[in-house]
Amino acid sequence: DAKTTQPPSMDCAEGRAANLPCNHSTISGNEYVYWYRQIHSQGPQYIIHGLKNNETNEMASLIITEDRKSSTLILPHATLRDTAVYYCIVRIRTQGGSEKLVFGKGTKLTVNP
Amino acid sequence: KAGVTQTPRYLIKTRGQQVTLSCSPISGHRSVSWYQQTPGQGLQFLFEYFSETQRNKGNFPGRFSGRQFSNSRSEMNVSTLELGDSALYLCASSGTSGGARNEQFFGPGTRLTVL
Repeated sequence: DAKTTQPPSMDCAEGRAANLPCNHSTISGNEYVYWYRQIHSQGPQYIIHGLKNNETNEMASLIITEDRKSSTLILPHATLRDTAVYYCIVRIRTQGGSEKLVFGKGTKLTVNP
Repeated sequence: KAGVTQTPRYLIKTRGQQVTLSCSPISGHRSVSWYQQTPGQGLQFLFEYFSETQRNKGNFPGRFSGRQFSNSRSEMNVSTLELGDSALYLCASSGTSGGARNEQFFGPGTRLTVL
């Protein structure tokens, strides 16, 4: 089962910031928070990841609370092309060093003109 | 760098047949993972290969199998196809040997329809 909880859907006006929340209250100390998005019928696209500190890249910012039990993905100026399903994932490390992504249902973000 | 490529992109099969899907990872990536995506179950992990060895396996029946070649290319096979196997099959590659910070890059997927 996914270790994250996200709202099923959100709306955002074009040009405004989109703030997507994620709860991961059972996250372990060595687990990272990853965000992916999936535009309809395409493969998921990596956005950003973080452990403790806030992170920013050319696509988004990631804000992780101090207790690491929740995080927020911020798209600073949402465009219509940002309409997608956004997945918040906690990386699970298995024995032998292999890792898998456990996807929840994600948040369907709709950016409106 | 070229991304992850998957072939074929679309496939139609009938029940009872078998199918082989192919994935070429990003150059230099040694880990390849496979996922199944259906409307009902969402994205589910199938298995992961690293250096031609299966390192991790999801909760799928033995009809689902895979392999990885010395050039890191991977194939997955589904035998005795069932209607429920209709799905988007996604392949993802990553670059390190298991560090927690490596990202997985996904291909466009193969859309399999079983009639």
